[in-house]
Amino acid sequence: DAGVTQSPTHLIKTRGQQVTLRCSPISGHKSVSWYQQVLGQGPQFIFQYYEKEERGRGNFPDRFSARQFPNYSSELNVNALLLGDSALYLCASMPQAWDEQYFGPGTRLTVT
Amino acid sequence: DAKTTQPPSMDCAEGRAANLPCNHSTISGNEYVYWYRQIHSQGPQYIIHGLKNNETNEMASLIITEDRKSSTLILPHATLRDTAVYYCIVIAGNQFYFGTGTSLTVIP
Repeated sequence: DAGVTQSPTHLIKTRGQQVTLRCSPISGHKSVSWYQQVLGQGPQFIFQYYEKEERGRGNFPDRFSARQFPNYSSELNVNALLLGDSALYLCASMPQAWDEQYFGPGTRLTVT
Repeated sequence: DAKTTQPPSMDCAEGRAANLPCNHSTISGNEYVYWYRQIHSQGPQYIIHGLKNNETNEMASLIITEDRKSSTLILPHATLRDTAVYYCIVIAGNQFYFGTGTSLTVIP
């Protein structure tokens, strides 16, 4: 079985731009969560979606948004990028909400 | 306020047991404790989770204190491949909280 996939692998953007990151969960998993991991720190929870509804939100500004599609894949959008948004963005899928998480390899975003 | 507290680093001799502690004093009665590890900049890998009873699987054992305010992850026979950052996670207020993590170095 394929694991969690994320695209793109790496991305370079300029301050003020917008970015969309994509995540495909493990087949049969209905929940996706997103994390931001700044170098040297642990992952910080951004969002959790279950059955296309937002079930949890971390302490991130409104520039961060996400959605989950009928096939349970998900997108994370970040508007008006700041240098501080440079990080590894991780997606995890779960069979149900608030369950054991399976992480993807992440998308490395660099904002210049 | 931190939801979990872990020592920043630990060393363990290869072949010996590695015992990684975590404090989660604000955990609620129905909240699970999860442990994950992360090697380099790969995605975190699930290890084990528990509610109140001790748990064991092929990777590790989890010991949770009776008051549930702390837990210990035990890797029974550490190998060099167990060198990683280990995270203790709780769920609170519809958020997953990763601790700061413990960087475990297994020494030959």
